[in-house]
Amino acid sequence: DAGVTQSPTHLIKTRGQQVTLRCSPKSGHDTVSWYQQALGQGPQFIFQYYEEEERQRGNFPDRFSGHQFPNYSSELNVNALLLGDSALYLCASSFGPQGGQETQYFGPGTRLLVL
Amino acid sequence: AQSVAQPEDQVNVAEGNPLTVKCTYSVSGNPYLFWYVQYPNRGLQFLLKYITGDNLVKGSYGFEAEFNKSQTSFHLKKPSALVSDSALYFCAVRETAVYRTALIFGKGTTLSVSS
Repeated sequence: DAGVTQSPTHLIKTRGQQVTLRCSPKSGHDTVSWYQQALGQGPQFIFQYYEEEERQRGNFPDRFSGHQFPNYSSELNVNALLLGDSALYLCASSFGPQGGQETQYFGPGTRLLVL
Repeated sequence: AQSVAQPEDQVNVAEGNPLTVKCTYSVSGNPYLFWYVQYPNRGLQFLLKYITGDNLVKGSYGFEAEFNKSQTSFHLKKPSALVSDSALYFCAVRETAVYRTALIFGKGTTLSVSS
């Protein structure tokens, strides 16, 4: 049973560019959440997708956008990259966003470096 | 607003000794509480969670955590530490409402187990 997978593992971009990160949820999961983990910090919630819609959003600017596909996989897009966007981006999947007892399981992350 | 505090940046313990990693939280209503572990250059691995019921929760790899509502704490414990337990540990809290399932993480505590 495959866990949460993310691609690419590493990425280097320059300021002003745009980036797309991808996530495939754990088998049986239908909800995908994205987190940003800056160096030396805990993960910060970006947004969550369920039924192809953004259901909850953290305190991130509109430069951060996402999408969920019918097969439950998801993309995170970041436009107009800033140096401060350099971080580990984590995807987590779970079953249902209905506030129940579900656990979020994390992928290995994509490390983004903005130069 | 929800928040999590991990008061210790680092905890040092000798192999075979008991370990405790501290966590306190603030949330409106009843909390769902989680512990995750992160090894270098890896994503987060789920250890255990408290939803309701018994205040002592048992999880993976011999870890357990004690929920204390009056002290708003959820400390992670293990009776006998292993060198392989050395890693970064995160406590997280989330709401229980529908579509409010974002995890709020602490800053993390580095556990160092010496042989």
